[in-house]
Amino acid sequence: QITLKESGPTLVKPTQTLTLTCTFSGFSLSTSGLGVGWIRQPPGKALEWLALIYWNDDKRYSPSLKNRLTISKDTSKNQVFLTMTNMDPVDSATYYCAHRRGYCISDRCYEYNWFDSWGQGTLVTVSS
Amino acid sequence: SYVLTQPPSVSVAPGQTARITCGGNNIGSKSVHWYQQKPGQAPVLVVYDDNDRPSGIPERFSGSNSGNTATLTISRVEAGDEADYYCQVWISGSDHLYVFGTGTKVTVL
Repeated sequence: QITLKESGPTLVKPTQTLTLTCTFSGFSLSTSGLGVGWIRQPPGKALEWLALIYWNDDKRYSPSLKNRLTISKDTSKNQVFLTMTNMDPVDSATYYCAHRRGYCISDRCYEYNWFDSWGQGTLVTVSS
Repeated sequence: SYVLTQPPSVSVAPGQTARITCGGNNIGSKSVHWYQQKPGQAPVLVVYDDNDRPSGIPERFSGSNSGNTATLTISRVEAGDEADYYCQVWISGSDHLYVFGTGTKVTVL
C-alpha cells in the first residue's frame, strides 16, 4: 500500500523560503520508472502542478514557477523535498505530494503520467 | 502554455447522468486523466488514459476523448458523487509538463 504525507511549516512570512517534506512508504524512488510530484491548491481554487522528480534524479518544473522551485530526494529516507523561494501571500495553498507510476524494461521506460496516490496535503499560509 | 477548460459547475439529479467536459487544443491526441476531490480531502484518481478505471472505482465512471474535448461521464449519479472533478494531461517534450483543468463542481440535486 502506497502512502505519502507532507510536512512543513504552516505559516511563513513574505519573502521567506518554504521547505516541504514528503515522506512516503510502499515504494522506493530507486525503482526505475517512478516519480513523485508536488501539486498545490489555493483555497477554493484549482489544482496546480509544481514539480516532479524521477527515480533517476531527473527533475521537471512548472514553467511559471521554475525560478523559485527546487525539488530533491533522499532515497534512503523515502523522502522528497520541495523548496520555494520568495514566498508571497498568493502562494498560500494546500500543498500535496503524489506518486507517479512507471517501470523500465532494459533501456525502455513506460511512464504513467498521472498521479495515482496522493498525500493528505499540508496547508501553508503566507502572512506577515 | 496548454490550457484545459472545464465548466465551473454541473448539476444533476440522483440516478441521472452527469457529463463533465474538458476542453483543450487537440486534446484528443493526448491521454486524459480525471480526479475526484471531495471537500477537505485529497484528489482521488477516477479515470486514467481517457477511459480506464483504477481498482475500486465504480463502472459508473467512464471517459471519452476526441477532437478538442474530453468528457467524464458519471452514470446513475449518487449523492456521494458530489465533488469537484479535475481533468489532467501530460505534455511531452523537454518540459514534461503536467497540466490540470480548471475544475468542475458537481452538485447532486
